[in-house]
Amino acid sequence: GAVVSQHPSWVICKSGTSVKIECRSLDFQATTMFWYRQFPKQSLMLMATSNEGSKATYEQGVEKDKFLINHASLTLSTLTVTSAHPEDSSFYICSASPGRGTDTQYFGPGTRLTVL
Amino acid sequence: AQTVTQSQPEMSVQEAETVTLSCTYDTSESNYYLFWYKQPPSRQMILVIRQEAYKQQNATENRFSVNFQKAAKSFSLKISDSQLGDTAMYFCAFIRNSGNTPLVFGKGTRLSVIA
Repeated sequence: GAVVSQHPSWVICKSGTSVKIECRSLDFQATTMFWYRQFPKQSLMLMATSNEGSKATYEQGVEKDKFLINHASLTLSTLTVTSAHPEDSSFYICSASPGRGTDTQYFGPGTRLTVL
Repeated sequence: AQTVTQSQPEMSVQEAETVTLSCTYDTSESNYYLFWYKQPPSRQMILVIRQEAYKQQNATENRFSVNFQKAAKSFSLKISDSQLGDTAMYFCAFIRNSGNTPLVFGKGTRLSVIA
């Protein structure tokens, strides 16, 4: 089956610094990738939809300038949390879709971000 | 807008028994897909089962099966012969007929399998 990786799996950073999370589709080309945020014991909350070569579409309430998303190639999307604060601590998950005609999305293993 | 409702925040079942998790959804779309995902303590999302809305036959995957009632907009998951490894959060999810649209998730049901 299709594999999606995320790096890093766990990151601890100081308040005010920026953190970049990578999402890669390893054995397929992903025209679309999605970024979710998950708080403990809660469901996945969609943050943004990322299409290769175009600007990401952010969900209402998600700060574009704080959560920078770049989908530079068909196998890589990055999420940068800028000027991180403790309230940004969460579990971030990406998923990737091979594109039209395919309903299945493949999930990365997630990244746990802790901001001190 | 589509919504997915899971009305059981927590459930438990004895090992080897059968349990059913409920899910209802609301949509005006005619063509869509429904999924059950499992999220164990590792937090990796694992696809359990998939149902195409235009297919009347209920999907099955080994010990997992669904009861898809399109008119009632109901999509329940039955787990037979429950195993300790089935302990996890289970999310019901909906997607329109394209992989380029995001999944809409329910709030999840935490299932505990008891030895």
